[in-house]
Amino acid sequence: GAGVSQSPSNKVTEKGKDVELRCDPISGHTALYWYRQSLGQGLEFLIYFQGNSAPDKSGLPSDRFSAERTGGSVSTLTIQRTQQEDSAVYLCASSAQGGGQETQYFGPGTRLLVL
Amino acid sequence: QKEVEQDPGPLSVPEGAIVSLNCTYSNSAFQYFMWYRQYSRKGPELLMYTYSSGNKEDGRFTAQVDKSSKYISLFIRDSQPSDSATYLCAMTWVNTNAGKSTFGDGTTLTVKP
Repeated sequence: GAGVSQSPSNKVTEKGKDVELRCDPISGHTALYWYRQSLGQGLEFLIYFQGNSAPDKSGLPSDRFSAERTGGSVSTLTIQRTQQEDSAVYLCASSAQGGGQETQYFGPGTRLLVL
Repeated sequence: QKEVEQDPGPLSVPEGAIVSLNCTYSNSAFQYFMWYRQYSRKGPELLMYTYSSGNKEDGRFTAQVDKSSKYISLFIRDSQPSDSATYLCAMTWVNTNAGKSTFGDGTTLTVKP
């Protein structure tokens, strides 16, 4: 079956604009994660969904960042009033049920550049 | 101080060399330890995982965990050019709805033919 997909693969935007990033997890996976990876850095956790609810939003860096998940499937990460420091690769992952020991399957990421 | 510190690299080795990649951590609550491989412009993929102290072997790869020292390692034997990638250590709790993993910053490995 298909893996995790993300769109767009690349996004260039101007400072101050809003952007939406989309993630399609593996079918049937209830857990969905968003991470951010800056150049030469590891993955920074942003938010975790279990079904449509987000029990852990602790990684969202500011109130400009929000995410939702609908139908227990597709998730959208929205960044409002983008800043240059938001430039990074945004990675989405999904796992079967959300247990810490489960394999997280990653998508290819969305490369965001804020000019 | 970060919860997970990873040897920064980059590493460049000749084909056939043994590679050692290392991470230390500070949170003793971590129970589950993983190594991910990330090729350029791709998402990370799980390479190996371990749950307890000791060694786990899978082909040319060996993962080692020392909980008393809060230190984990990944060894690659007979390294190949196809092993050239960034390697990320990660760790988490074993729990339902545990959510996130905590990642190291990654070590970039180049294996030269």
